[in-house]
Amino acid sequence: GAGVSQTPSNKVTEKGKYVELRCDPISGHTALYWYRQSLGQGPEFLIYFQGTGAADDSGLPNDRFFAVRPEGSVSTLKIQRTERGDSAVYLCASSLTIGPYNEQFFGPGTRLTVL
Amino acid sequence: DQQVKQNSPSLSVQEGRISILNCDYTNSMFDYFLWYKKYPAEGPTFLISISSIKDKNEDGRFTVFLNKSAKHLSLHIVPSQPGDSAVYFCAASLTSGNTPLVFGKGTRLSVIA
Repeated sequence: GAGVSQTPSNKVTEKGKYVELRCDPISGHTALYWYRQSLGQGPEFLIYFQGTGAADDSGLPNDRFFAVRPEGSVSTLKIQRTERGDSAVYLCASSLTIGPYNEQFFGPGTRLTVL
Repeated sequence: DQQVKQNSPSLSVQEGRISILNCDYTNSMFDYFLWYKKYPAEGPTFLISISSIKDKNEDGRFTVFLNKSAKHLSLHIVPSQPGDSAVYFCAASLTSGNTPLVFGKGTRLSVIA
């Protein structure tokens, strides 16, 4: 079966622009997570969803970042007024349901470069 | 403040020998620990985990050891194979509540044939 897919794989944008990053989780997985991995760092939690609702958005760095999952499947991470410091690989993961015992399956990530 | 620390950014091991990757954590509330493996241009994949009620968990060539008093865990790979060359991330979590995983910075393992 298909794994987690993320589009685009690479995104180059200019400072101040708006970007959307898409995540297609594994079918049937109710939990969906967004992480950001900066150069030389491990993945850092941003937000996770259980179904359609954001269960925990405490990792979002500021109000320029927003994520939605309107139908409980595909999720979009939206970044307004991008800054050079937003450059990173944005990883999406899904699991059958929430909780640490449920293995998170990661997508390949979207590499965002803000010029 | 890094709650999960992997102090060795890289490790080089000969094929057939043991690889030992180390991880320290500061939050004594963490009670579930995981190791993920990541190849270039791919997402991390789950490797092995351990609950704080255990001190060892083994899966084939991979064994994770947990020392709660020292807040330290290690991943042993034996024998190491060239295909094990990847970045390994240690992660920690709380089983109570639905808290997200906290990852270390990773250790790049190179297994030399």
